[in-house]
Formats: sequence, C-alpha cells, structure tokens
Amino acid sequence: SQTIHQWPATLVQPVGSPLSLECTVEGTSNPNLYWYRQAAGRGLQLLFYSVGIGQISSEVPQNLSASRPQDRQFILSSKKLLLSDSGFYLCAWSEFAGTGYTFGSGTRLTVV
Amino acid sequence: AQSVSQHNHHVILSEAASLELGCNYSYGGTVNLFWYVQYPGQHLQLLLKYFSGDPLVKGIKGFEAEFIKSKFSFNLRKPSVQWSDTAEYFCAVNVAGTASKLTFGTGTRLQVTL
Repeated sequence: SQTIHQWPATLVQPVGSPLSLECTVEGTSNPNLYWYRQAAGRGLQLLFYSVGIGQISSEVPQNLSASRPQDRQFILSSKKLLLSDSGFYLCAWSEFAGTGYTFGSGTRLTVV
Repeated sequence: AQSVSQHNHHVILSEAASLELGCNYSYGGTVNLFWYVQYPGQHLQLLLKYFSGDPLVKGIKGFEAEFIKSKFSFNLRKPSVQWSDTAEYFCAVNVAGTASKLTFGTGTRLQVTL
C-alpha cells in the first residue's frame, strides 16, 4: 500500500536560518506531489506541485522553493526564513488523474 | 482557475442536530469535488468525493454530499451530528481529467456541544 512520510513533525528555527522539509512517498511511482501551507482561517494554500522529477510549479510568490530530486521525494526549502514563514506545512501526493489525494502528517514550523 | 467558497466559517450545533455545510465552486468545466475533515490534532482525512454519476454521494461516518451542477454547489450534510464530529471541514475541487492541483476552501469549524 502507498504511504507518505513527512518530517520533522515540529521545527523551531530562528529568522534568517535555512529550511529543509522532506516528504517521501512509498508504494507508487510517478506520483504528483504537492506542498500546502495551512493557516488558521485561510484553509490550505497550495505552494508548489510537481508532476515529475525536476518539474516544479509555484503557486504563490514567496520565500520558499521546492525541489524533486527523485521520483518519490519532494523537498521544501528556504535559504533564509522569515517570521511570516511560520505555519503548518503539509505534503500530499496523488495519482496522475487527481482523483485521490493522500496527505502527510504535517510539519509545524515556528520561526522565532 | 478554479476556486472554492465555504461561507460558514464557524458552526455550533447541539448533538443530534442536523448539519449542512455550504460549498460553492467556481469553474466552467468538469470538476472533481471532495470533502475533507481534520479532527483536532489529526491528519486530513477524506470524507467523500464526487467524480461522476449519482450526484448524491455517501461518505464515511454518515456524511453525504449532493452535487448540484446548476448551482455549482457541493454541500455536506449529516442528519444527526455527534460530539465526535467536532472538527474542521474542508471542501476542495480539482479539474477533472488533468494532473492538477487540489484547491481548498477556507474551511468550516464545526463545534458540537453535548
């Protein structure tokens, strides 16, 4: 069966420090991968999605970037974190047709 | 691009009351529709989804939703809520037949009181 792993679960980072959040999927190949950010009262905002290795689409301009170095690995990064980057980050995957999505357990990022 | 509106931001109901949460989407073509639930401290879970066929979709835990194409709506219903239904509910849409992104509404926080 397919599983999605996301880590770390919580992270506290100082302003200006780098960020790397990792997400991996098991049990499937060539998944679509997504990074969402969840903020209170704003639902889930799509940040990036990828339909293949090295293919990244950005949905909103921001201080973050994403990479997909392997088929089932999706990384969210920042060179210098801002206070406004604090939030709950969710990774998700779907098959090509987009008829089902599975979400990871999320990372609570606090920038101090 | 598609968008989703959830007009009820916070709903408070007593146990056994009936529930209807509104969801409207904006897109001119064929869409897939989803309802997700997030219980306190837990992952997002799929409640139900609609792709085609019978517009009345039944999901887990007694929830159902009806797709009304003419109204661009996909409202979530439950005849009798329980305290354990306290959670945040998200409606979402994607464009059918493409490897596309899932767009979420802002969510409705449901609080069920005893």
